[in-house]
Amino acid sequence: GQNIDQPTEMTATEGAIVQINCTYQTSGFNGLFWYQQHAGEAPTFLSYNVLDGLEEKGRFSSFLSRSKGYSYLLLKELQMKDSASYLCAVDYTGGFKTIFGAGTRLFVKA
Amino acid sequence: DSGVTQTPKHLITATGQRVTLRCSPRSGDLSVYWYQQSLDQGLQFLIQYYNGEERAKGNILERFSAQQFPDLHSELNLSSLELGDSALYFCASSGRDREKLDGTDTQYFGPGTRLTVL
Repeated sequence: GQNIDQPTEMTATEGAIVQINCTYQTSGFNGLFWYQQHAGEAPTFLSYNVLDGLEEKGRFSSFLSRSKGYSYLLLKELQMKDSASYLCAVDYTGGFKTIFGAGTRLFVKA
Repeated sequence: DSGVTQTPKHLITATGQRVTLRCSPRSGDLSVYWYQQSLDQGLQFLIQYYNGEERAKGNILERFSAQQFPDLHSELNLSSLELGDSALYFCASSGRDREKLDGTDTQYFGPGTRLTVL
C-alpha cells in the first residue's frame, strides 16, 4: 500500500510555531504536496517538495527527506485563521496517482 | 478562485434517486479528478480522467460513474442514492502533460457540491 500517516489533531497558541509531520511509503515517490483546507471549503495548494531540504514560503515552510519518507509543514507566527486541516499528499509515479493523507486538524487558540 | 467550477453548489435529494454533478476544469487542464469527503473525513479519491480517458480509479462504488467530454468538462453520476452518500464532492484539475510527464500534478480544487440525501 501507500499509507500516508499524519497526526489527527494538533493544538497550538496564536503567535507560536507548529510542526505537522507526515510519513509515507517511499517506493515510487515522485513528490509531496501540502494542502490547506478550511472546514466546508476546497483544499488549496500550499507547497510541493521534490528534493530533500526545506522550502520556505512566508510563514509556511515545508521539509522533505526522501530517504526517510518524511515531511513536515512548519507554520510560524500562528494566526487564528490558520485553524484548518492540513493535508499531506504524495505523488507516486506510474499512473498519475496522488494519494492524500487523512489530514491534520489544527486548532489555534488565543 | 481556483478556476475550477462545479455545479450545483448544493443538492438535496431522496434515497433511491439519481443525480449528476458537473465540473469544468481550469482552462487548458486535461486532468480531472473526483473526490468524496464525508463529514469530518479525509478526501476519498474516486476517479481520474485525462483528456477524455479514464486514468485511475479509487474507491468508487458501482452505483457511481463519471465521464469527461471532448470540451474537457466532466460529470459524476450518482445513482440509487443512499443516506451514506451525503457528502461534499470535489472536482480538481491539474495541468500535467501525460506525454511529457513533466510538471507537477498540483491539483486545483473546485468549491465542491454538497449533496444531502434524505
